[in-house]
Amino acid sequence: GAGVSQTPSNKVTEKGKYVELRCDPISGHTALYWYRQSLGQGPEFLIYFQGTGAADDSGLPNDRFFAVRPEGSVSTLKIQRTERGDSAVYLCASSPSGGVNQETQYFGPGTRLLVL
Amino acid sequence: LAKTTQPISMDSYEGQEVNITCSHNNIATNDYITWYQQFPSQGPRFIIQGYKTKVTNEVASLFIPADRKSSTLSLPRVSLSDTAVYYCLVGVAFTSGTYKYIFGTGTRLKVLA
Repeated sequence: GAGVSQTPSNKVTEKGKYVELRCDPISGHTALYWYRQSLGQGPEFLIYFQGTGAADDSGLPNDRFFAVRPEGSVSTLKIQRTERGDSAVYLCASSPSGGVNQETQYFGPGTRLLVL
Repeated sequence: LAKTTQPISMDSYEGQEVNITCSHNNIATNDYITWYQQFPSQGPRFIIQGYKTKVTNEVASLFIPADRKSSTLSLPRVSLSDTAVYYCLVGVAFTSGTYKYIFGTGTRLKVLA
């Protein structure tokens, strides 16, 4: 079956602009996760959805970052007033139901964001 | 601050067994330890998951001691295609009551012919 897909695969923007990154999880997966990965680093947790609601958004670095999942499937990560330090690969993952007893997370290929 | 640490890099030759250890002192009581493989320009890919003692699947084994403060990924008879970065992922409970999934620092494995 289809895996997690993310669009766009690459995004180049200018400092101060607004960007949206999209994630299509595996069909039927209720849990969805966003991570940010800087060059040479491990993925850094940003936010976790259980269905339509954000179960944990404590990893979002500041209020310029926001994510939604209005119908419990596709999710959009939104970044306002982008800064050069936001440049990274943004990874999305999904799992069947999520929860504290960690399920296997299936990752998408990521969106490479470059802020000039 | 909780840390999940791994050796930065390892070199091995084809056909050898490779063991990569992750230290996770603050792992949550009920959480599992998962290992992922990542190739350049791709998302991490699941390898193996365990809670305690030993788990084995068709590609790897995972050894977890009783105190669960570390885990060791074992790759038998590596090949050139195993050259990648390997990450452990654990859940860490903070004293504030929050809970985070934290990736290890990653180990860059290079397999030589």
